[in-house]
Amino acid sequence: EPEVTQTPSHQVTQMGQEVILRCVPISNHLYFYWYRQILGQKVEFLVSFYNNEISEKSEIFDDQFSVERPDGSNFTLKIRSTKLEDSAMYFCASREGTVPGGELFFGEGSRLTVL
Amino acid sequence: KQEVTQIPAALSVPEGENLVLNCSFTDSAIYNLQWFRQDPGKGLTSLLLIQSSQREQTSGRLNASLDKSSGRSTLYIAASQPGDSATYLCAVRSRENAGNNRKLIWGLGTSLAVNP
Repeated sequence: EPEVTQTPSHQVTQMGQEVILRCVPISNHLYFYWYRQILGQKVEFLVSFYNNEISEKSEIFDDQFSVERPDGSNFTLKIRSTKLEDSAMYFCASREGTVPGGELFFGEGSRLTVL
Repeated sequence: KQEVTQIPAALSVPEGENLVLNCSFTDSAIYNLQWFRQDPGKGLTSLLLIQSSQREQTSGRLNASLDKSSGRSTLYIAASQPGDSATYLCAVRSRENAGNNRKLIWGLGTSLAVNP
């Protein structure tokens, strides 16, 4: 069964360092998302991406964050200069897009720990 | 602004019991509602998706209902098993956003423990 895959599963970094989280969405999907979940808190929307551009972003998604689809398969989230409060589980999701109310499929997540 | 609440926050039941998890949302203008399962430290597994025009969806021992007008959804788990122990999250896709993106708004989840 097709699935969304994310790497790395866990990354530990020092404050101020750049981090890139990678995702391979399901191959025929058109809409891509990043969400995050700080420990003990609700899952929060970060950004959605369609047709090679950001279609919506939350107030969390400031200038320190960027997304890219460098080739036909990968979808990346970059955090330029990590802060302690960026420590969270980051989830990538994708949606087919042919049906407006389509289901989102999530990856296993990348746990980011900023020291 | 859409808010999603899940009650109870935690639930502990003996194996074999039928149980109901509740999700409520403040704005009935939704596109759909999804129930997810999350094991500790793990990803989000989609369980059921209910479109706004539907009243319920079933998958195996799981049944989810939706009452859009009252802003409620329930997840019914029949004959619970220890393997059902996890956090169950409810998320709604609101119509409040323009365009086709309509991000998911999440509840905090119900932590379920099924005891053998």
